[in-house]
Amino acid sequence: DIQMTQSPSALSASIGDGVTITCRASQRISNYLAWYQQKPGKAPKLLIYKASNLESGVPSRFIGSASGTEFTLTITRLQPEDFATYYCQQFHDYPFTFGQGTKLEMK
Amino acid sequence: EVQLAESGGGLVQPGGSLRLSCGVSGFTFSTHWMNWVRQAPGKGLEWVANINQDGTEKYYVDSVKGRFSISRDNDKSSMYLQLNSLRAEDTAIYYCASARGFGGYDSLDYWGRGTLVTVSS
Repeated sequence: DIQMTQSPSALSASIGDGVTITCRASQRISNYLAWYQQKPGKAPKLLIYKASNLESGVPSRFIGSASGTEFTLTITRLQPEDFATYYCQQFHDYPFTFGQGTKLEMK
Repeated sequence: EVQLAESGGGLVQPGGSLRLSCGVSGFTFSTHWMNWVRQAPGKGLEWVANINQDGTEKYYVDSVKGRFSISRDNDKSSMYLQLNSLRAEDTAIYYCASARGFGGYDSLDYWGRGTLVTVSS
């Protein structure tokens, strides 16, 4: 199975800050990577598909990028509604696998 | 508006069975792969299974192979997950989710609210 190593596991930041979350795949997955946001008690929400494509309706402050097997989600100018847990997911090979999650908390 | 709604969760004893359902409205169900994803209490997301448009292709995570079975009924815009030989480690919220495009190798764009399965004696 492809392992997705996500870091950091937790992150503290303030409104207006920029943050970066990283996901490293254990093997090449091309751009078959998605980023999701999940708030407590809610279903995940797709933010980024195919590594760098912004899902419709998602603010442009969410930016996905890729370099080899390393993928990053950058959130610029944090807003109050951005404090949540973020997951990456590879869909290159079965079984699809998620990163462990990054909990973004308000400082 | 796209809506996915899971049902069928509940408390079941180890070794027992449940059938989860996912009803879909607001998009053309028959043209999309569909997925099940679960989340154990306080834990991360785990992809469980998916199924292609006509139900002829199905994939599962190893931990559920031989115990869970995914199916769909396009006439009813519904997907199902039959859970057999349940174990305590199957306790989770089970989400249904649609694949974004028309292929199986795709992100998950629409999600239901989930249904809780608790396996305990």
